[in-house]
Amino acid sequence: AQTVTQSQPEMSVQEAETVTLSCTYDTSESDYYLFWYKQPPSRQMILVIRQEAYKQQNATENRFSVNFQKAAKSFSLKISDSQLGDAAMYFCAYREGYGGSQGNLIFGKGTKLSVKP
Amino acid sequence: DGGITQSPKYLFRKEGQNVTLSCEQNLNHDAMYWYRQDPGQGLRLIYYSQIVNDFQKGDIAEGYSVSREKKESFPLTVTSAQKNPTAFYLCASSPYTLGGQPQHFGDGTRLSIL
Repeated sequence: AQTVTQSQPEMSVQEAETVTLSCTYDTSESDYYLFWYKQPPSRQMILVIRQEAYKQQNATENRFSVNFQKAAKSFSLKISDSQLGDAAMYFCAYREGYGGSQGNLIFGKGTKLSVKP
Repeated sequence: DGGITQSPKYLFRKEGQNVTLSCEQNLNHDAMYWYRQDPGQGLRLIYYSQIVNDFQKGDIAEGYSVSREKKESFPLTVTSAQKNPTAFYLCASSPYTLGGQPQHFGDGTRLSIL
């Protein structure tokens, strides 16, 4: 079974600095998708960024970028120029590209990010 | 604006009582999902549905039931068999199950025991 591991329960960053959140996953599949979701105190789940496993190029969305290492099964999220509004729980998630559990997301346990002014 | 509406925002359950959480989407998505979130546990899948009148158990389906009579609606019933129902429940949907379309989430329902 696929698993997703976020080894950092909590992280802290100074405003305007850069922080990297770690995520590793375990799968025997070659076709899959990876996501980072943000959950602020309002508890709403917000998609931050998405990566397709067959694309070698790392995804980027404004201040958010990923370092996708397929062989190492690693998918870290880098937040540049951190802002107070970035404070939230961040969840890494894995989804199969095809197969019986179609479309189901497997989540890590999350990393709580604090941003210091 | 299109989106997913969950209601109520807060819900209280008495012993032996079944309660139903509502989830409605106007995104015309085929697939819908229910997740449970506990502190330190991340999100765990309860049930999912790919098409109307069809649904599948997720990882923690015991004590829960669902129906999918309409494309836009996927209510979750927490039955009295669920002995530890206190949690935050999130409903999600996606355009179709194959491919990398992300899931969109509602704002959640917090369920507590009286």
